[in-house]
Amino acid sequence: AQRVTQPEKLLSVFKGAPVELKCNYSYSGSPELFWYVQYSRQRLQLLLRHISRESIKGFTADLNKGETSFHLKKPFAQEEDSAMYYCALRHGGATNKLIFGTGTLLAVQP
Amino acid sequence: NAGVTQTPKFRILKIGQSMTLQCTQDMNHNYMYWYRQDPGMGLKLIYYSVGAGITDKGEVPNGYNVSRSTTEDFPLRLELAAPSQTSVYFCASSYTRVADTQYFGPGTRLTVL
Repeated sequence: AQRVTQPEKLLSVFKGAPVELKCNYSYSGSPELFWYVQYSRQRLQLLLRHISRESIKGFTADLNKGETSFHLKKPFAQEEDSAMYYCALRHGGATNKLIFGTGTLLAVQP
Repeated sequence: NAGVTQTPKFRILKIGQSMTLQCTQDMNHNYMYWYRQDPGMGLKLIYYSVGAGITDKGEVPNGYNVSRSTTEDFPLRLELAAPSQTSVYFCASSYTRVADTQYFGPGTRLTVL
């Protein structure tokens, strides 16, 4: 079955510390993965997707098929990074359905 | 562009009441989705639509109905509200099906008492 697992509900770090938000997936085909973010009082929005191999706001995520992981990383956390982060897997087929993980709340302390 | 808009922002229903959650997008997107988010859980897909006149069930469709008479609008109907439907509901849209960005509305917080 297709599934996305985010093992941490809360990740608390100090400003300037490295951040790694974990995401593991279960999918039988070739996965397409995303990270969405929800800042306080804002709507859910796309942060990055693995096919773009981009860095957004200093965040990167590498797809590791061997470990079935798509962890989100940033070398130096900023207070404005505090938000809820969701990993999502695109469901195959003729639609663009997404399967979401349960989310990780990142709290960056000053 | 306003993007994806949802109304109402909050609503309290009694058991057995019905209501419609409105969703409108002004980006001319073909694909639209309804998700629900329960506390401590990820978003789960209720229904989706790939274009006007075409809808299909997602993971958790029971207790809901949808229609898509226009490209812009995708209302979600609750016929007989139950406490299990207490949740935050998000509408989203995307232009294509190929790993495209989904744009989300601000959400509707529904409580059924």
